[in-house]
Amino acid sequence: DAGITQSPRYKITETGRQVTLMCHQTWSHSYMFWYRQDLGHGLRLIYYSAAADITDKGEVPDGYVVSRSKTENFPLTLESATRSQTSVYFCASSFGRGFTEAFFGQGTRLTVV
Amino acid sequence: KQEVTQIPAALSVPEGENLVLNCSFTDSAIYNLQWFRQDPGKGLTSLLLIQSSQREQTSGRLNASLDKSSGRSTLYIAASQPGDSATYLCAVRQVNYGGSQGNLIFGKGTKLSVKP
Repeated sequence: DAGITQSPRYKITETGRQVTLMCHQTWSHSYMFWYRQDLGHGLRLIYYSAAADITDKGEVPDGYVVSRSKTENFPLTLESATRSQTSVYFCASSFGRGFTEAFFGQGTRLTVV
Repeated sequence: KQEVTQIPAALSVPEGENLVLNCSFTDSAIYNLQWFRQDPGKGLTSLLLIQSSQREQTSGRLNASLDKSSGRSTLYIAASQPGDSATYLCAVRQVNYGGSQGNLIFGKGTKLSVKP
């Protein structure tokens, strides 16, 4: 399927466990992003990547790790999940850095119990 | 630090009414501004993209304007329908001279309800 897909759509995990959220895009976009959406805070940037093997921190990176070995994939790992990481996570991509449109995945709803 | 504000936070209108959603931003150094729609429990759907050099963009019943110098954008929805009910988000693609260039900064959205 063309576009940007996230998996899983829903995930429940326990405090302290490691969990990985997957993001895959078929457009060969160079830029990819991870956001979290929380009531009262809106969408906040966790990490972004300008190209394969190039990643950088966003506004709220603590407790998260990313990698990008292939252009099309940008997984987000919670090393030791905490209840404060309960959120909806969105992956996005765009062709370039500036004057291009961003496209979002359908989101992953993560609950940490 | 770029801040994006959307007013009002919620809006309820009767079907058929024309309406305007507002978005303001504090730093005019942007590449573009994008309006999104989000339905409950769903992802973000891109509605309109306005480049920093443009004044407006239109798609069907939607018209978005941009006044970069004053840090404002509006989304105009003509002849609103119940199917337009959703949360509308604006986001600016900021230009930073060092650090995180080209990231999207979002407002918190306007929740629109169109009553039949």
